[in-house]
Amino acid sequence: EPEVTQTPSHQVTQMGQEVILRCVPISNHLYFYWYRQILGQKVEFLVSFYNNEISEKSEIFDDQFSVERPDGSNFTLKIRSTKLEDSAMYFCASSDGQLQNQPQHFGDGTRLSIL
Amino acid sequence: AQSVTQPDIHITVSEGASLELRCNYSYGATPYLFWYVQSPGQGLQLLLKYFSGDTLVQGIKGFEAEFKRSQSSFNLRKPSVHWSDAAEYFCAVGPSYGGATNKLIFGTGTLLAVQP
Repeated sequence: EPEVTQTPSHQVTQMGQEVILRCVPISNHLYFYWYRQILGQKVEFLVSFYNNEISEKSEIFDDQFSVERPDGSNFTLKIRSTKLEDSAMYFCASSDGQLQNQPQHFGDGTRLSIL
Repeated sequence: AQSVTQPDIHITVSEGASLELRCNYSYGATPYLFWYVQSPGQGLQLLLKYFSGDTLVQGIKGFEAEFKRSQSSFNLRKPSVHWSDAAEYFCAVGPSYGGATNKLIFGTGTLLAVQP
């Protein structure tokens, strides 16, 4: 069964540094998402992406965050200047259509640790 | 505001026993409803979904869930739990058809432990 793959599985970064989290969505999917889960808290929506632009973002997704689909397969989340509170598990997801028709499929996540 | 409540943070059941995990939602219309499972070190795997129609939905690994509009609930059940079911279970809601958003709203999760 096709999978969403995320790299790296664990990223350790110094506070203030830039970090890029990478995702390869399922190949025929059109909608892409990032969520995060701070340790002990619920999974939170960050951003959705369709047709090469952001379709929705949460209040968490401030100017420090950006997303990009640099080629036909990768979908990246960049945090420009990391803060301690950015430490979390970040999940990428993709779906074949809008939520109403197709469920979102998640990757195994990238654990981001900010020191 | 839309929200999902999973009242049970941690549940322990014996292997072979039945299981019910509770989920209540608050939403203006009938949402789309999902259960995901997260095993240690793994991502979120979709167990089942409810969009419309029959309120009892079947999922993978022998799980089922029942949508009860009057109670705003979507509880997950399994008649006989296996040790491999030990994991964290998340209920999630998405917008109903025609909604402007397509984000999922998750509950806080229920951690299931299975005793031999």
